[in-house]
Amino acid sequence: EPEVTQTPSHQVTQMGQEVILRCVPISNHLYFYWYRQILGQKVEFLVSFYNNEISEKSEIFDDQFSVERPDGSNFTLKIRSTKLEDSAMYFCASSEGYRVGNEQFFGPGTRLTVL
Amino acid sequence: GQNIDQPTEMTATEGAIVQINCTYQTSGFNGLFWYQQHAGEAPTFLSYNVLDGLEEKGRFSSFLSRSKGYSYLLLKELQMKDSASYLCAVKDSNYQLIWGAGTKLIIKP
Repeated sequence: EPEVTQTPSHQVTQMGQEVILRCVPISNHLYFYWYRQILGQKVEFLVSFYNNEISEKSEIFDDQFSVERPDGSNFTLKIRSTKLEDSAMYFCASSEGYRVGNEQFFGPGTRLTVL
Repeated sequence: GQNIDQPTEMTATEGAIVQINCTYQTSGFNGLFWYQQHAGEAPTFLSYNVLDGLEEKGRFSSFLSRSKGYSYLLLKELQMKDSASYLCAVKDSNYQLIWGAGTKLIIKP
């Protein structure tokens, strides 16, 4: 069964460093998403991406964040200068469509720890 | 603002039935999703409702009333593996998923 994959599973970094989280969405999906979940808190939408550009982004997704689809399979989230409060689980998701009823499939997540 | 409310935690007995409620106030409505999330893992899709009524899927059913801004997830014949958090999420007018904080379900033998 096709699935979303993410690497690395864990990332530890120093405050102020740049990190890149990687995702491989399901191959026939056209819409990609990043979410984060701070430990013990709710899932929060960061950004959606379609046709090589951002469709929607939340207030959380400020200038320190960027997304890219560098090739035909990878979808990346870059955090330029990490802060302590960026420590969270980051989930990538993908879906066939965007509108009513399209289920989003989630990857296993990357646990980011900023020291 | 947008808000989704669920109970924080519920406890039920193996083999029993449990109903997890969700109420929402969102800017627009384009469907309601229930996801299951085991600790430290990704959310996995359980059900989707966009029209009023009950959707049944094996041991799990989900109900929606759009006029009341209300949904519930019904789990029957509970098994120990059903111990997890259950997340209610609504697609708003921008087709963004707005998430509730989740209900932690504890199953006791």
